[in-house]
Amino acid sequence: DGGITQSPKYLFRKEGQNVTLSCEQNLNHDAMYWYRQDPGQGLRLIYYSQIVNDFQKGDIAEGYSVSREKKESFPLTVTSAQKNPTAFYLCASKSLSGAINEQFFGPGTRLTVL
Amino acid sequence: AQSVTQLGSHVSVSEGALVLLRCNYSSSVPPYLFWYVQYPNQGLQLLLKYTSAATLVKGINGFEAEFKKSETSFHLTKPSAHMSDAAEYFCAVRGSGGGADGLTFGKGTHLIIQP
Repeated sequence: DGGITQSPKYLFRKEGQNVTLSCEQNLNHDAMYWYRQDPGQGLRLIYYSQIVNDFQKGDIAEGYSVSREKKESFPLTVTSAQKNPTAFYLCASKSLSGAINEQFFGPGTRLTVL
Repeated sequence: AQSVTQLGSHVSVSEGALVLLRCNYSSSVPPYLFWYVQYPNQGLQLLLKYTSAATLVKGINGFEAEFKKSETSFHLTKPSAHMSDAAEYFCAVRGSGGGADGLTFGKGTHLIIQP
């Protein structure tokens, strides 16, 4: 089945540590996105990528980094510079060809800083 | 720039009653609009989308939404609520200027179904 996988589902981090969240898609989508979700805040865009080896900052990129070495993978690193990293992180992807296409979402990773 | 306002962070309806979730948008270009549903600790699933074709859009699970340009609204409705509709609902907008930028989401409405 085609879809988006995120791992791990739950992640615990000590203050000062960097952690990397995985996102993989087998939908052959060109674009991939990372969102952060906080209670009562909706989703906010962290980074997005339209093509391999290229990515752009979203609205809240500070304290985060990404890479896009393969079309199907878009890992997100939460660095120690992110002051309040506890949140639910969602990865999404979208085809850029054809009509206006919606974003497809993965199941999310819940990050908790201890 | 785009923005989305969802009126009511929580909406409670009785099972079998009409569901109405409100969404107003602001966009400098003709918008593309989406409604997504999220069940606890899961990702988002698309309910329906408006892409400048018919103004009344039908989606999955019996939901529909009507695009009203004069009111800058895209409210979500369902004639008869079911217990399984209890979830978080997000309205989102994307400008039609092209590019692969992410969607702008509202803050969400938590739908509660009373038995």
